Amino acid sequence: DQQVKQNSPSLSVQEGRISILNCDYTNSMFDYFLWYKKYPAEGPTFLISISSIKDKNEDGRFTVFLNKSAKHLSLHIVPSQPGDSAVYFCAANAGGTSYGKLTFGQGTILTVHP
Amino acid sequence: ETGVTQSPTHLIKTRGQQVTLRCSSQSGHNTVSWYQQALGQGPQFIFQYYREEENGRGNFPPRFSGLQFPNYSSELNVNALELDDSALYLCASSPRRAGETQYFGPGTRLLVL
Repeated sequence: DQQVKQNSPSLSVQEGRISILNCDYTNSMFDYFLWYKKYPAEGPTFLISISSIKDKNEDGRFTVFLNKSAKHLSLHIVPSQPGDSAVYFCAANAGGTSYGKLTFGQGTILTVHP
Repeated sequence: ETGVTQSPTHLIKTRGQQVTLRCSSQSGHNTVSWYQQALGQGPQFIFQYYREEENGRGNFPPRFSGLQFPNYSSELNVNALELDDSALYLCASSPRRAGETQYFGPGTRLLVL
């Protein structure tokens, strides 16, 4: 039962363009969402998060959008840089007694070409 | 501020053996969570420790057990290792406040032969 899904295994983008990574979820109890970036041989690095009371959160080149009715979130990276090439995971948390128990998607491999 | 550290970085064991993995949480964080990441998959929640007690568990058998110490560091123990236990084991720490983010260590790569 995959409660968080990233349906695109990979994405290739030209440097300077926008990268859009998508994530869908099924559990309506999720109320906090996060994006992590992972390089090979390293642990996931936190990028940006959003609470379910918001529909957008921005941090520099990274913006996360949340559409609760569609149970969909997306990460926009503008402009994309070669150093952004990594695996991106979205994760969700249901809060309350399940605080801290993140449910992850399968990941999307982003490649940014110079 | 010291980040999350894990040891060892790599480990090779044989089927049936037992293994202990270690994690030191980030300064000021009292909650530690463990995740298993199989190749090509996202991390899967194993369990979480808060104030030295297990505070929730994912879909893992009892041969996966853990400990948290007074300094908030933690251990993950796996008994009777199986080939499918080969994975990257990640530790994450967080302050126990609503909406706080989890910060991950570099992981321990376990290979079971």
